[in-house]
Amino acid sequence: DTEVTQTPKHLVMGMTNKKSLKCEQHMGHRAMYWYKQKAKKPPELMFVYSYEKLSINESVPSRFSPECPNSSLLNLHLHALQPEDSALYLCASSQDPGLAGGEQYFGPGTRLTVT
Amino acid sequence: AQTVTQSQPEMSVQEAETVTLSCTYDTSENNYYLFWYKQPPSRQMILVIRQEAYKQQNATENRFSVNFQKAAKSFSLKISDSQLGDTAMYFCAAQRANNLFFGTGTRLTVIP
Repeated sequence: DTEVTQTPKHLVMGMTNKKSLKCEQHMGHRAMYWYKQKAKKPPELMFVYSYEKLSINESVPSRFSPECPNSSLLNLHLHALQPEDSALYLCASSQDPGLAGGEQYFGPGTRLTVT
Repeated sequence: AQTVTQSQPEMSVQEAETVTLSCTYDTSENNYYLFWYKQPPSRQMILVIRQEAYKQQNATENRFSVNFQKAAKSFSLKISDSQLGDTAMYFCAAQRANNLFFGTGTRLTVIP
């Protein structure tokens, strides 16, 4: 199984809502990532988890709150978002956080619209 | 710092022809990895090919090959015998500390 799954595929939320994005992989990977991708732009790294611990936060606003409950699951909790946060949110995983050159496997993404 | 530049926002190629996508990068690392990722219209990003900087031999994966010029910091992707399924956005990326830094992408269209 070389798949990263993400739910939901689409999400529309108001600025006062609280919602969560979910990402799952069963490849035994120990590094997991959240990226944000605006239309016609490259993905931008948000967070990195290594061995279920947050290792990198790329100065992301606190209205985005990541969580890694176990080695297979990664969540992104959303609260009080702004319309400019509308984007495709991609999850990825890689085998070993300490292994340089490792391939990142991407999920299909969640298309988020903030109204 | 890692910066990756793709100077061709869009390209097209006839089916069965060859096309080359350009990428330049800048890095302060001594050893590093470079990647080409493909994002088809369905959005799921997949790895096309990777190159380790200290390996002089250019990487090849079936119809995909790279021209890695370390001194010039250039990393172009050649797609041979283009197929309709190659239509996608192609991102060049450099890796630092297991993190990827992407270029702005080249949208490739394969014309039947």
